[in-house]
Amino acid sequence: QKEVEQNSGPLSVPEGAIASLNCTYSDRGSQSFFWYRQYSGKSPELIMFIYSNGDKEDGRFTAQLNKASQYVSLLIRDSQPSDSATYLCAVNYNTNAGKSTFGDGTTLTVKP
Amino acid sequence: EPEVTQTPSHQVTQMGQEVILRCVPISNHLYFYWYRQILGQKVEFLVSFYNNEISEKSEIFDDQFSVERPDGSNFTLKIRSTKLEDSAMYFCASSDRADTQYFGPGTRLTVL
Repeated sequence: QKEVEQNSGPLSVPEGAIASLNCTYSDRGSQSFFWYRQYSGKSPELIMFIYSNGDKEDGRFTAQLNKASQYVSLLIRDSQPSDSATYLCAVNYNTNAGKSTFGDGTTLTVKP
Repeated sequence: EPEVTQTPSHQVTQMGQEVILRCVPISNHLYFYWYRQILGQKVEFLVSFYNNEISEKSEIFDDQFSVERPDGSNFTLKIRSTKLEDSAMYFCASSDRADTQYFGPGTRLTVL
């Protein structure tokens, strides 16, 4: 059973701070890694994807991947109250089938 | 910006009835998926579809479920003889490559 584990949270940070979200996965053959944001009652919204070890930056978001440690993280710089949501880590083992395995999510609250 | 659409937004049905959930994927996408999310739980993969056939399906996707692409735009999920435990949000997703998936807004299915 391929598992994806995330910090249970909730995580609370003050506005302007850096929020750090972590995810580990069990299957060493996993190929691609995704971070989604999900507001309550809404669908997952893709924020970042990363395939290679290292960092990938997009605006205030940075995804970090370490395949040796089976670890992927998301940093949110200059956190805003609008970033308050549940962040879902998803992992794909087989890029041909594209099935994503999701973690439980970490709920982030950014306090003004 | 193109997006995945789903109808209806909310479906209420009696236990034992059949329901069809409809999705219109992004027009140039080739890979289609159904996921579900029971309230308070993680997003779970049901099935992936490519080139007019199922690519992969989960243990959840048993004989009660079927998918179809009846024309060039729609992608449907049929649930035969619904059960109480089928109550969940059902998300359709599509991808132009077999990993980066974009989710629709979801259909909330309530089985009474």
